[in-house]
Amino acid sequence: AQTVTQSQPEMSVQEAETVTLSCTYDTSESDYYLFWYKQPPSRQMILVIRQEAYKQQNATENRFSVNFQKAAKSFSLKISDSQLGDAAMYFCAYRSSTPIYNQGGKLIFGQGTELSVKP
Amino acid sequence: SAVISQKPSRDICQRGTSLTIQCQVDSQVTMMFWYRQQPGQSLTLIATANQGSEATYESGFVIDKFPISRPNLTFSTLTVSNMSPEDSSIYLCSGRLGNTIYFGEGSWLTVV
Repeated sequence: AQTVTQSQPEMSVQEAETVTLSCTYDTSESDYYLFWYKQPPSRQMILVIRQEAYKQQNATENRFSVNFQKAAKSFSLKISDSQLGDAAMYFCAYRSSTPIYNQGGKLIFGQGTELSVKP
Repeated sequence: SAVISQKPSRDICQRGTSLTIQCQVDSQVTMMFWYRQQPGQSLTLIATANQGSEATYESGFVIDKFPISRPNLTFSTLTVSNMSPEDSSIYLCSGRLGNTIYFGEGSWLTVV
């Protein structure tokens, strides 16, 4: 079974600085999708960034980028120029591309990392 | 992208009662899912809502406790039956559009 681990329950960053959130996963599959979701106090789950395992290039969305290391099964999120609005719980998630496992889109989540941003 | 709306956004429920959560998507998503997020915890999948047929439940979740309907491609309901304080959680609806899963804003239930 696939698992996702976020080993940092809490992280803190100074406004305008850069922070990296860690995520590791375990799978025997070669093709899959990885996601980072942000959950602010409103509880809305917001997609931050997505990475397809078959793509070697790391995904980037404005100030958010990932470091995808497939062999090491690592998927970290880097937030540059941190803003107060970035404060939230961040979840790493895995989705298999194999229909028998993903039931069309089942996500497996890590435990989450609570990010605080200091002014 | 897809916009997913849930009702109610928050409710306080009496022990032993049932509550139905509605989920409406603005796009015809291929798959819909219901997750539970207990206080301070991560998200756990309850079930996959299948259009026109019975939902597919994850281990530990049963239809009698969490009946789910999905009459069409854009709407689903989750009922939390015979509630107890242990059911106090955020319940999130999600939908798959392409290779991305989008979430509603969640329904925060407190059982007293």
